[in-house]
Amino acid sequence: DVVMTQTPPSLSVAIGQSVSISCKSSQSLVHSDGKTYLNWLLQNPGQSPKRLIYQVSNLGSGVPDRFSGTGSEKDFTLKISRVEAEDLGVYHCVQATHVPLTFGSGTKLEIK
Amino acid sequence: EVQLVESGGGLVQPGRSLKLSCLASGFTFSNYGMNWIRQAPGKGLEWVASISSSSSYIYYADTVKGRFTISRDNAKNTLYLQMTSLRSEDTALYYCARHRHTMGYWGQGVMVTVSS
Repeated sequence: DVVMTQTPPSLSVAIGQSVSISCKSSQSLVHSDGKTYLNWLLQNPGQSPKRLIYQVSNLGSGVPDRFSGTGSEKDFTLKISRVEAEDLGVYHCVQATHVPLTFGSGTKLEIK
Repeated sequence: EVQLVESGGGLVQPGRSLKLSCLASGFTFSNYGMNWIRQAPGKGLEWVASISSSSSYIYYADTVKGRFTISRDNAKNTLYLQMTSLRSEDTALYYCARHRHTMGYWGQGVMVTVSS
């Protein structure tokens, strides 16, 4: 199974700051179709997960452009520019290239 | 508006069965593969199973293989998860999510508690 190593486990940031979250996979996430199925999700407190980024860098519908995703092969980053109060919650990376699909352990973002 | 609404959860004894449903609306259900993903209380997300749009391809996590069955009825816009031989470790909030690769939409989840 692909192991997704997500860091840091938690962050505490002030409104307006920028933060980055890393996700590293134990093997390449390039699918046989040439696409890389690495997604980022945000789970606000008490809510179901919401997709932010799909295929490494594509912004989901309705997601503010303060969110951006970069990376390739085995190394991926989610960046949040100008953090807002609504960004608090747990961020998850998930690889959907290989079965079983596997998730990172999550990064809890708190607002100072 | 895309909506996914799970139902069928509840309290069940170990070894018993339960069937979850996920009713889809706001999109052409038969065009999309679907997933079941669960989250144990206070824990991270765990993929459970996926099914392709026409049910041709089905995948399971090892932890549920042989006990859970994913299926769909495209005429009813509904995804199912038949769970048998339930264990305490199956206690979780179960979500359905659209599209195996991109997980663009998630339901609100349904709670399954396995306890005597």
